[in-house]
Amino acid sequence: AQKVTQAQTEISVVEKEDVTLDCVYETRDTTYYLFWYKQPPSGELVFLIRRNSFDEQNEISGRYSWNFQKSTSSFNFTITASQVVDSAVYFCALSEAISSGSARQLTFGSGTQLTVLP
Amino acid sequence: NAGVTQTPKFRVLKTGQSMTLLCAQDMNHEYMYWYRQDPGMGLRLIHYSVGEGTTAKGEVPDGYNVSRLKKQNFLLGLESAAPSQTSVYFCASSYGRGRTYGYTFGSGTRLTVV
Repeated sequence: AQKVTQAQTEISVVEKEDVTLDCVYETRDTTYYLFWYKQPPSGELVFLIRRNSFDEQNEISGRYSWNFQKSTSSFNFTITASQVVDSAVYFCALSEAISSGSARQLTFGSGTQLTVLP
Repeated sequence: NAGVTQTPKFRVLKTGQSMTLLCAQDMNHEYMYWYRQDPGMGLRLIHYSVGEGTTAKGEVPDGYNVSRLKKQNFLLGLESAAPSQTSVYFCASSYGRGRTYGYTFGSGTRLTVV
């Protein structure tokens, strides 16, 4: 069975600090997908990034960057120069096949509550 | 293009009452899912569907039933609501293969059972 661990339950930083959110996963699949979602206080899930298991290239998008390390089964997320609007719960999720075809189950970590103080 | 639409957005039920949550998608996606989110936890899969007329159990299916009579709709039913089913429910559909694979989530339904 697949598993996602986000060991950091809560993180608090001061605005403009950099912050890294950790994600460690377990899977027996050779092909899988990793996701990061943001959940602001309003409750919706905001998609941030998808990483395929066969593509280990790291990615940067503005102030966001992701470090995928297959050797350590980690997919960490860094926010550079954090802002108050970054305050939210962030979820890491792993997608693994649950049937023939393309149906896949998303297994979520328990989330990291990030608070950015002004 | 509305994406995934969930109705209702909020609901309060008394223990033992029944209700149906509706999920509708207009993207012609084959695969649809129902998740629940409890405080301090990530989402957990309740049931899923790989196509019209087919459904299957996920991680936490007890107390729920689902139906997918039409490709665009995925219904989640609670026959006899219990306080343990107080949660936020998310519907999702998935699309693509390989590098295009992804999910579209609805905005959630907050259900309280008293």
